[in-house]
Amino acid sequence: GESVGLHLPTLSVQEGDNSIINCAYSNSASDYFIWYKQESGKGPQFIIDIRSNMDKRQGQRVTVLLNKTVKHLSLQIAATQPGDSAVYFCAENTAGGSYIPTFGRGTSLIVHP
Amino acid sequence: EADIYQTPRYLVIGTGKKITLECSQTMGHDKMYWYQQDPGMELHLIHYSYGVNSTEKGDLSSESTVSRIRTEHFPLTLESARPSHTSQYLCASSEGQGAATNEKLFFGSGTQLSVL
Repeated sequence: GESVGLHLPTLSVQEGDNSIINCAYSNSASDYFIWYKQESGKGPQFIIDIRSNMDKRQGQRVTVLLNKTVKHLSLQIAATQPGDSAVYFCAENTAGGSYIPTFGRGTSLIVHP
Repeated sequence: EADIYQTPRYLVIGTGKKITLECSQTMGHDKMYWYQQDPGMELHLIHYSYGVNSTEKGDLSSESTVSRIRTEHFPLTLESARPSHTSQYLCASSEGQGAATNEKLFFGSGTQLSVL
């Protein structure tokens, strides 16, 4: 069946470096994508979203890139800080289905001071 | 900060017990969801609701039930808990009504369930 998944389960970076977290999706009809951040002991929190008619969207220190040709999504975090340490999930939603988002496996980002 | 609350925060029970996990939101959201999550793993959809009197099954629904009598309340019930139910249970809500894909989910802090 269709699935959303992440390439790497763990990403370790040094404080101040840029982080890139990747996500692959398989449903070519997906039209909305969200990145969530889940800190230890908490539920996921919205970071940034992008519609399929866009290929880039920027927020505060975060940028999401969408490549529909290869069905790939990435989250870039600039100047990574210890507070960015968390598990990051991508999720996709598709018009014409249940309109319920599908989540990927998650990438654990570890920021070393 | 999202106004969605889950109780209890932690629960340890014996096999065979009936339990209800509570979830309430004060945002007036129509859609609500229950997810099960093991540590470091993806979220699995258990049940969801489009609004009052609407309940739908997700991927892992066969051993639990939900109800949606009021907009703000979406409890999850396990009729007979088993060790395989040990996991974290996350409740979420979103603002959209029915057929909308551009919705952000707001999550509670979760209930960590341990079945002995």
